[in-house]
Amino acid sequence: EDKVVQSPLSLVVHEGDTVTLNCSYEVTNFRSLLWYKQEKKAPTFLFMLTSSGIEKKSGRLSSILDKKELFSILNITATQTGDSAVYLCAVDHYYQGAQKLVFGQGTRLTINP
Amino acid sequence: DGGITQSPKYLFRKEGQNVTLSCEQNLNHDAMYWYRQDPGQGLRLIYYSQIVNDFQKGDIAEGYSVSREKKESFPLTVTSAQKNPTAFYLCASSTVLLADTQYFGPGTRLTVL
Repeated sequence: EDKVVQSPLSLVVHEGDTVTLNCSYEVTNFRSLLWYKQEKKAPTFLFMLTSSGIEKKSGRLSSILDKKELFSILNITATQTGDSAVYLCAVDHYYQGAQKLVFGQGTRLTINP
Repeated sequence: DGGITQSPKYLFRKEGQNVTLSCEQNLNHDAMYWYRQDPGQGLRLIYYSQIVNDFQKGDIAEGYSVSREKKESFPLTVTSAQKNPTAFYLCASSTVLLADTQYFGPGTRLTVL
């Protein structure tokens, strides 16, 4: 059975701290791994990772994929209260002729001032 | 502006009633998807469609039905057979290119009383 597992499920830190969110997966026909940020409504796209060992960066956020160990991490440095959200990891795979995403449970990140 | 719209934003229904959630996109995407999100959980796939007049069941299709008569529209009906319909429903669309990303609508929060 295809599955994506995120850890921790919940994390509370102080503003300025650095956090690391984890995502491990077991899926057939892996195509890519995606990270989304969800702040009460629709998830917004952060990163798409397809190759191992290549870090993607966007400001204070960065992410990397390890296709051998089947996991990805999302790092956020110098956290701000606006980073508070649920972070979703999803794996894109090809199943029965269609692109499908398998989502993890999400990590709820709370940044306290 | 290109994007995905869902309506209504909030929906209340009595138990035993069917209800239809709207999803429209003007991104010219071929593929469309419906997900369900419960508190503290990730997204679970209900139905998806890659082309007009064709759709497939996702992981939790029981108690739901869809249609895809137009490329832009993919309405979801929550039937009385769905045992626990109260949830947050998200519609998404994508092209069918390799390693593409899905774009999400703002969601509909359905509460069955």
